[in-house]
Amino acid sequence: AQSVTQLGSHVSVSEGALVLLRCNYSSSVPPYLFWYVQYPNQGLQLLLKYTTGATLVKGINGFEAEFKKSETSFHLTKPSAHMSDAAEYFCAVSVRDDKIIFGKGTRLHILP
Amino acid sequence: KAGVTQTPRYLIKTRGQQVTLSCSPISGHRSVSWYQQTPGQGLQFLFEYFSETQRNKGNFPGRFSGRQFSNSRSEMNVSTLELGDSALYLCASSLSVPGNYGYTFGSGTRLTVV
Repeated sequence: AQSVTQLGSHVSVSEGALVLLRCNYSSSVPPYLFWYVQYPNQGLQLLLKYTTGATLVKGINGFEAEFKKSETSFHLTKPSAHMSDAAEYFCAVSVRDDKIIFGKGTRLHILP
Repeated sequence: KAGVTQTPRYLIKTRGQQVTLSCSPISGHRSVSWYQQTPGQGLQFLFEYFSETQRNKGNFPGRFSGRQFSNSRSEMNVSTLELGDSALYLCASSLSVPGNYGYTFGSGTRLTVV
């Protein structure tokens, strides 16, 4: 069975600083990986996904993530944080033809 | 095009009652999944429906049930409500298999059981 672990339930960064949200997965077969963002009182919005091909995936709002099979990781980064990036971020894993399993989420705080 | 629509947005129910939540997926999406979101447990998978058939089920008691109609709209029902059922219930639709395509989520139904 697949699983995903997000390191850090809360992460704080200063406005303009690098954002790094960590995600490690477990899967016995090639995984599909996702990052979602959730703003208060809203559903989740897809930021980016990796299925096959290029391991560096670019998403919306300037975010990107790199699939590293050797490290079983799919960390989310953004070069420069904006106040509007404050939200909860979820990493998720699935395999072909199966359901999506979500991590417990990381709440990102942006310090002025 | 319209997104995933969940109704109602907010509900307050009394312990022991039952509740029905509704979800209209994006037009053309045939898969609908339901998740329960709570601060302590995060996002917990309830079930997935595809072409009116339950294709996947999470580890929830039988009080939680769902169905999908021929137009892909879905409902979930919770009977004999407990205080612990208070949560945000999220519906998500996908073109086909969620794992292959990812989800589009609705804004959720916030259920409070008192």
